[in-house]
Amino acid sequence: EVQLVESGGDLVQPGGSLRLSCAASEFTFSSYALSWVRQAPGKGLEWVSTITGSGDTQYYADSVKGRFTISRDNSKNTVYLQMNSLRAEDTAVYYCARRSLQAPRYMDVWGKGTTVTVSS
Amino acid sequence: DIQMTQSPSSLSASVGDRVTISCRASQSIGNYLNWYQKKPGKAPKVLIYAASSLQSGVPSKFSGSGSGTDFTLTISSLQAEDSATYYCQQSYTTPYTFGQGTKVEI
Repeated sequence: EVQLVESGGDLVQPGGSLRLSCAASEFTFSSYALSWVRQAPGKGLEWVSTITGSGDTQYYADSVKGRFTISRDNSKNTVYLQMNSLRAEDTAVYYCARRSLQAPRYMDVWGKGTTVTVSS
Repeated sequence: DIQMTQSPSSLSASVGDRVTISCRASQSIGNYLNWYQKKPGKAPKVLIYAASSLQSGVPSKFSGSGSGTDFTLTISSLQAEDSATYYCQQSYTTPYTFGQGTKVEI
C-alpha cells in the first residue's frame, strides 16, 4: 500500500527548532515531488513547502521562508522539514503529501500528520 | 499570490440534498483546481483534480466544474458521512493556495 508516515512532532519553546520526517513506502520515491501542508487549530489548510523528486528545487510559503528548510534523502525514501526560529503561529498538525505526476499536480497521497506545538 | 475564495463558509443540509460549493481564484488558473475533503482528526483526501476529474475510488456523487477563475464542487444526494470541511486548492503556481474551507453539516 502506498503510504506516507510523518514523525517528529513535539512541544517546543518559541525560538526553538524541530525536524519533521516523512517516510514513504510502496512507490518510486525519487519520481515524486513531496510537500508539507499544515493546519493550525481551528484554521484551514496551508501549503508550507514542496521539494522536487531530485531534490534540486524547493518552494516555500512566505510565512516560513528563511526559517524552514525542506530536504529529502532518496536512499532512505524520506523527506524532512527542518523548522527553526519557531513561533506560536507555527503550532499545527503537519501533513506530508505526495504531488501527483500528471498535471495539475495535485496532492494525491497524504500522511496522517504529526503535531507541532510551540509554547513556553 | 493567487487568492482562493470559497462560498459559503458553512452550510447545513439534509440527507439526500444536493449541495454546491463555489471557489473563485483571483486570477485565471485554467483547470489547475483541486478539491479536498477534510474530516477532524483525519488526513485530507483529494476528491476532484483538474477541476472536473474524479479521483480514483471517490464516489460519483462528487463532481466538479469550471475553468479560469470560477469553479464549483457539487455533492449530489448528501449522506451523513459527507459531513466535513471542503477545500479548493490551486496548483497553477506556488504558493499552492487553498480556499478558506466550506464546512458542510448534516
